[in-house]
Amino acid sequence: SQTIHQWPATLVQPVGSPLSLECTVEGTSNPNLYWYRQAAGRGLQLLFYSVGIGQISSEVPQNLSASRPQDRQFILSSKKLLLSDSGFYLCAWSVVGGNTEAFFGQGTRLTVV
Amino acid sequence: GENVEQHPSTLSVQEGDSAVIKCTYSDSASNYFPWYKQELGKRPQLIIDIRSNVGEKKDQRIAVTLNKTAKHFSLHITETQPEDSAVYFCAASLTSNTGKLIFGQGTTLQVKP
Repeated sequence: SQTIHQWPATLVQPVGSPLSLECTVEGTSNPNLYWYRQAAGRGLQLLFYSVGIGQISSEVPQNLSASRPQDRQFILSSKKLLLSDSGFYLCAWSVVGGNTEAFFGQGTRLTVV
Repeated sequence: GENVEQHPSTLSVQEGDSAVIKCTYSDSASNYFPWYKQELGKRPQLIIDIRSNVGEKKDQRIAVTLNKTAKHFSLHITETQPEDSAVYFCAASLTSNTGKLIFGQGTTLQVKP
């Protein structure tokens, strides 16, 4: 069966520090991968998606970047965190071809102080 | 791009009553409409979905209806129980191979015993 791992679960980082969140999927090949952010009491905002290795599409211009160095690995990064980067970050995957259920990781609670 | 509006933002019902959450979407090309339930601090999980070739789908106490002409879809929960209390998100997916889901803002449902 397919599983998705996301870590760390919680993170407290000072303003101006770098960020690296990692997500890996097991049990499937060539998945579509996504990074979402959920601000407190808000909806799920799509940040990045990827349909293959090295293919990254950005939905919202911001202080973050994403990379997909391997088929089932998706990384969210920042060189210098801002206070506004605080939130709940969720990685997700879906079957290639689109228009199917997205499966979410457990999420990372990021607090920038 | 696609935009999904969800109402109401909060909903409080008595146990045993019905709850209805409504969403509208902007892109008539969207053809997949899932609903997710998110309990506090946890990942969103799919509870029901519908595709544009059907108008209604039921699964025990939950149902979803779709009106393609009006570009809106709704979640219906009957005989609500306290464990139904959570945040519910609707989403829409464009016809493409990316599978990216655009989410509504979420509805916080409180079921009072």
